[in-house]
Parts: sequence; structure tokens; C-alpha cells
Amino acid sequence: DIQMTQSPSSLSASVGDRVTITCRASQSINRYLNWYQHKPGRAPKLLIYASSSLQSGVPSRFSGGGSGTDFTLTISSLQPEDFATYYCQHSYSTPPTFGQGTKVEIK
Amino acid sequence: EVQLVESGGGLVKPGGSLRLSCVASGFTFSSHSMNWVRQAPGKGLEWVSSISRRNSHIYYADSVKGRFSISRDNAQNSLYLQMNSLRAEDTAVYYCARGSVGATTVTHVDYWGQGTLVTVSS
Repeated sequence: DIQMTQSPSSLSASVGDRVTITCRASQSINRYLNWYQHKPGRAPKLLIYASSSLQSGVPSRFSGGGSGTDFTLTISSLQPEDFATYYCQHSYSTPPTFGQGTKVEIK
Repeated sequence: EVQLVESGGGLVKPGGSLRLSCVASGFTFSSHSMNWVRQAPGKGLEWVSSISRRNSHIYYADSVKGRFSISRDNAQNSLYLQMNSLRAEDTAVYYCARGSVGATTVTHVDYWGQGTLVTVSS
């Protein structure tokens, strides 16, 4: 199975900050990397698919990049509604494993 | 509007069985692959199972293989997860999630339900 490792596991940031979360795959997954946002008690939300494609309706302050084994999710200017846990997931093969999550908290 | 509504969760004893359902609306259900993803208390997301639009391709996580069975009824716009031989470690919120049009392999999931809680405890 392909292992997905996110860093950091948590971070504290202020509204307006630029935030970058990293996801590393244990082997090359081409660009088959997706990012989700999850808030407690809510359904997870797809933000980015295929490494850098923005899901319809997702604000443009979210962006993704990378290929092979190293990927990033960037929030250009953190907004109050962005405080949540973020997960990467590969869809290169079965099982499509998730990273352990990155919790973004208010500073 | 795409909607996915899960039901069937509850409290069950170890070794017991439960059947989860997910009713879809707002899109052509029969065109999409579908998935179950779970989140144990205090843990991250874990993919459980996927099924292609015509049941031709089915996949399971090793942790549930041989105990869980995914199925769908396109006429009823419904997805199911039959869970047998349940263990304490199966305790989680189970999410129904929509995959891509026509996919026969795992893909990203673009819509999720609110989830249904399964608790396995004596």
C-alpha cells in the first residue's frame, strides 16, 4: 500500500496568513493527489483533485501543486471559515489511502 | 443539488451485523462510481470500499475484506454496505461518497453525505 505522510500535523495561524501543507507519498503517484477539508460534524469537502485542479465552487485562495511523491496545498490568505482539518488522498491505486490530516487552528 | 443521505447506523455487539444505506439525489446515480469512507473517533479518514456504476468493479480495504459487502441498486438510487462480523475497531462514522463518472478504478470523491455512526460495543 502507498503511505501518505502530511506535515505538519497541526498548525496555528492568523486570519490573512499564507498557509502551506505538505503531503508526501511513499512511491510515485504521478499527479493522482486530492485534498479535502473536514470540519467537525460536517461532510468532508473536496478542494483540489489531480494535484492542482480546483473543484467547482472552491475559492481561488486554495491551490495545489506537485507531482511524483511531493505535493502541497496552499491557502493564500487564511479566512475564518478555513479553520478545519485538511487531508490529502491519493487515487493512483487501491487502496486510495489518506494522509493523517493537518489541523489548522486559530492563533 | 447533489444529496447523499446515509442511514442504518447504530449500536451493535461484537460479531453482529449491520446494513448501511445511502440514498442519492440531484444527479444521475447510475453514471457514477460510489464509495464508503469511515472515520473512527479521534482518527483520520479511512477508505473502506468502492463500486463501479454497473457493479463490475468492486474494491475493499484489507481491514474489511471478507466481512463487508458493498452493493448498489441503480433503480432505487441507493448504495449499501453490509457489515458482518463487526469488531470494536469498526466503530466509526461511515460516509457515502460519490466518485467519478464511469470510473472503474478508485478516483477522487466530490460529494459526501453527513455520515452515520456505527458503534460496536458489548
